[in-house]
Amino acid sequence: GAVVSQHPSRVICKSGTSVKIECRSLDFQATTMFWYRQFPKQSLMLMATSNEGSKATYEQGVEKDKFLINHASLTLSTLTVTSAHPEDSSFYICSARQGGLYEQYFGPGTRLTVT
Amino acid sequence: EDQVTQSPEALRLQEGESSSLNCSYTVSGLRGLFWYRQDPGKGPEFLFTLYSAGEEKEKERLKATLTKKESFLHITAPKPEDSATYLCAVQAGETSGSRLTFGEGTQLTVNP
Repeated sequence: GAVVSQHPSRVICKSGTSVKIECRSLDFQATTMFWYRQFPKQSLMLMATSNEGSKATYEQGVEKDKFLINHASLTLSTLTVTSAHPEDSSFYICSARQGGLYEQYFGPGTRLTVT
Repeated sequence: EDQVTQSPEALRLQEGESSSLNCSYTVSGLRGLFWYRQDPGKGPEFLFTLYSAGEEKEKERLKATLTKKESFLHITAPKPEDSATYLCAVQAGETSGSRLTFGEGTQLTVNP
């Protein structure tokens, strides 16, 4: 149980284009989903928290117009990186939490490379 | 501000050599302390949740314990497949919402 998937696992895009990453909870309803970014040999950095049907809450320093988050259903959240630049290249990981429980279950991550 | 410090940063063990990883935390109103395992290029895998001092949980060769200031992840007779980065995270009180604060992790290598 508690499986979270992400798609795609890897994506390469050109500078200036947008890319969408999907995060799905496969066997539970995720009232809250989280998006993290991880740089090599560093821990996870929380970017934003989203509750189903509500606007996402972004962490300080994260540009909400650049990283668009949509949590339209209890099983799906999307992160769209708009007008991507090489400095946006990173490992993006989502997690999901079922209402009333504290544990977050993580997806396998998406490696984004912007050329 | 919530803080989580993990030690050591890296640990090399021989297969069968038991050891412990440490996670020290400073939070306002602990809701839960979590241990995750992360393999290279993958998302963290959930291991344990601990809620209150004195609590212990076990899974195969791993045992997690919690005090009011720190948590230990004990690894008994490790195998090479236990090699990974182990992350500790805390969820604090109402003002922190449901966010987790992560430590920097301990990179464990188990040599055959």
